[in-house]
Amino acid sequence: GAVVSQHPSWVICKSGTSVKIECRSLDFQATTMFWYRQFPKQSLMLMATSNEGSKATYEQGVEKDKFLINHASLTLSTLTVTSAHPEDSSFYICSARGTSGRLSVEQYFGPGTRLTVT
Amino acid sequence: AQKITQTQPGMFVQEKEAVTLDCTYDTSDPSYGLFWYKQPSSGEMIFLIYQGSYDQQNATEGRYSLNFQKARKSANLVISASQLGDSAMYFCAMREGRRLGSSYKLIFGSGTRLLVRP
Repeated sequence: GAVVSQHPSWVICKSGTSVKIECRSLDFQATTMFWYRQFPKQSLMLMATSNEGSKATYEQGVEKDKFLINHASLTLSTLTVTSAHPEDSSFYICSARGTSGRLSVEQYFGPGTRLTVT
Repeated sequence: AQKITQTQPGMFVQEKEAVTLDCTYDTSDPSYGLFWYKQPSSGEMIFLIYQGSYDQQNATEGRYSLNFQKARKSANLVISASQLGDSAMYFCAMREGRRLGSSYKLIFGSGTRLLVRP
């Protein structure tokens, strides 16, 4: 149980275009979803926290107009990188937290999406 | 502000031996949670073990145990009987306490790369 999927697993896009990454909780309802970015050989940096039906809370230094987050349902959150540039190339990982019990204690991570902007 | 420190960028261990990965933390919150995750080269984040700040006993999960020393603010991961498949990045993370309005977000350390020698 507690499986989180991400789609796509990898994407290559041209500079200036937008790309959408989906994060789904497959077998539980996710009250909260988190989006992280990880550059090579570095740690995970939290970008934003999203709760279903409300606006995302962005971490300091993360441009909310560039990284659009939508948490439309209890099982789906999307991250859209708008007007992507090569410096946005990174590994994007989402995680989800459930509503009760152990699901609410841990964060369950998706497999990640590797974005390359050319 | 909360902070997680992992001072070992890389560690070697001989197969079948035990290894300790260090993690220290800093928080003023009396209630918090500590996590260890394993990230193999595929990029997925694998949950290993959790320790709550009020837990009386050290957490154990199979070959993983957490040496929790609250007064020293350390939460070291001990892996017993190392296996070749244990070679990966290991991240220590902290979550603020569960209370009304808590974001449940995780703050990660910089990670330790463990290599298991045959």
